[in-house]
Amino acid sequence: RKEVEQDPGPFNVPEGATVAFNCTYSNSASQSFFWYRQDCRKEPKLLMSVYSSGNEDGRFTAQLNRASQYISLLIRDSKLSDSATYLCVVNRVWDDYKLSFGAGTTVTVRA
Amino acid sequence: DVKVTQSSRYLVKRTGEKVFLECVQDMDHENMFWYRQDPGLGLRLIYFSYDVKMKEKGDIPEGYSVSREKKERFSLILESASTNQTSMYLCASSFTPQGGHTNNEQFFGPGTRLTVL
Repeated sequence: RKEVEQDPGPFNVPEGATVAFNCTYSNSASQSFFWYRQDCRKEPKLLMSVYSSGNEDGRFTAQLNRASQYISLLIRDSKLSDSATYLCVVNRVWDDYKLSFGAGTTVTVRA
Repeated sequence: DVKVTQSSRYLVKRTGEKVFLECVQDMDHENMFWYRQDPGLGLRLIYFSYDVKMKEKGDIPEGYSVSREKKERFSLILESASTNQTSMYLCASSFTPQGGHTNNEQFFGPGTRLTVL
């Protein structure tokens, strides 16, 4: 079983729509969770960390569900510039400086 | 502005050639990583270094070696390139947080797309 699993999508949404997607992680002892964003032919960049209580950063909301071992990302009022692949990332238990990356969920926002 | 640079954006090599991929970071980070990224598989860790001259195997080290002689530079070496090493190679760095692991954000270079013919 993969450490981090994501629905690859693509999620095709119109501008202004809300889009949400999840990822699941396999190790219940994981402590640190992140969403990275990767634009086409570019490197991944940190979008936001995910905290236990859930957190928002502008139009982006991240949630963590430890009981079911999933993380979600919600994008409100989608912009064309939100088109990207979103990578779910989890720290490796007992190997803390290393991260496990999901394969990514692709979001395409259309005009 | 933090910066991780990689020596080449695109590289084409022949089977059996020795290939060097260079990565330099200017953030004085202790940790450096080499990943490869393939469609549907995500980023897979090849090697990790937490200090000068220190290295650890990642998930897929076979066919690769690394060198870290200076803190800012981490090199990936393909001793004898093979076609199944055609991939996007990404270098990353991170600092070692004091007293915890609340944020070990990794900063990535722009990647090297390697094609082995």
